[in-house]
Amino acid sequence: RKEVEQDPGPFNVPEGATVAFNCTYSNSASQSFFWYRQDCRKEPKLLMSVYSSGNEDGRFTAQLNRASQYISLLIRDSKLSDSATYLCVVPFYGGSQGNLIFGKGTKLSVKP
Amino acid sequence: DVKVTQSSRYLVKRTGEKVFLECVQDMDHENMFWYRQDPGLGLRLIYFSYDVKMKEKGDIPEGYSVSREKKERFSLILESASTNQTSMYLCASSLFGTGGLSYGYTFGSGTRLTVV
Repeated sequence: RKEVEQDPGPFNVPEGATVAFNCTYSNSASQSFFWYRQDCRKEPKLLMSVYSSGNEDGRFTAQLNRASQYISLLIRDSKLSDSATYLCVVPFYGGSQGNLIFGKGTKLSVKP
Repeated sequence: DVKVTQSSRYLVKRTGEKVFLECVQDMDHENMFWYRQDPGLGLRLIYFSYDVKMKEKGDIPEGYSVSREKKERFSLILESASTNQTSMYLCASSLFGTGGLSYGYTFGSGTRLTVV
């Protein structure tokens, strides 16, 4: 069974805080992973890709633990503009060629 | 800048109407997808296509059909719209095969459909 589980939140944090989201997945064959960001009433947009143990891009760090089958996203020095829903995305290798499986998202609200 | 374009941002239709949602991508992607997104349910895959005239059912195909006559265009059809099809509809595209699974999907801006 293909599953991606995320804590729905909401995470309410003050500006400048560090916040971390976790995501667990069930498909152990997955090779690459993604975090998408979705603003209210907008489409999901790719935030980060994770191909090996982790990836860092400015204030954002994504880490992968294959043994435990979880992915994390760490946001340092949170900004008001980071308020959004963060979707964990895992490839599922099945069917004709596989698909990406999207978690339901974790909502982040950064307060002044 | 690569784009996936959905023809309508907001749409209001009556119960029983036949509804067409259009999606066009300019990235020469082989794969195209239709999702619906509802509060608390996340993104649910309706149909996808990995080639012209090819289609595969996703997780919730009932009440929908699709058409892919050209590589760049993927249409979602609601044969007889019902109120439970009120939702946000998102189109996406990707490279074929492991390329798509390695580089992710690009989404259109969505169509918010209300069926009354």
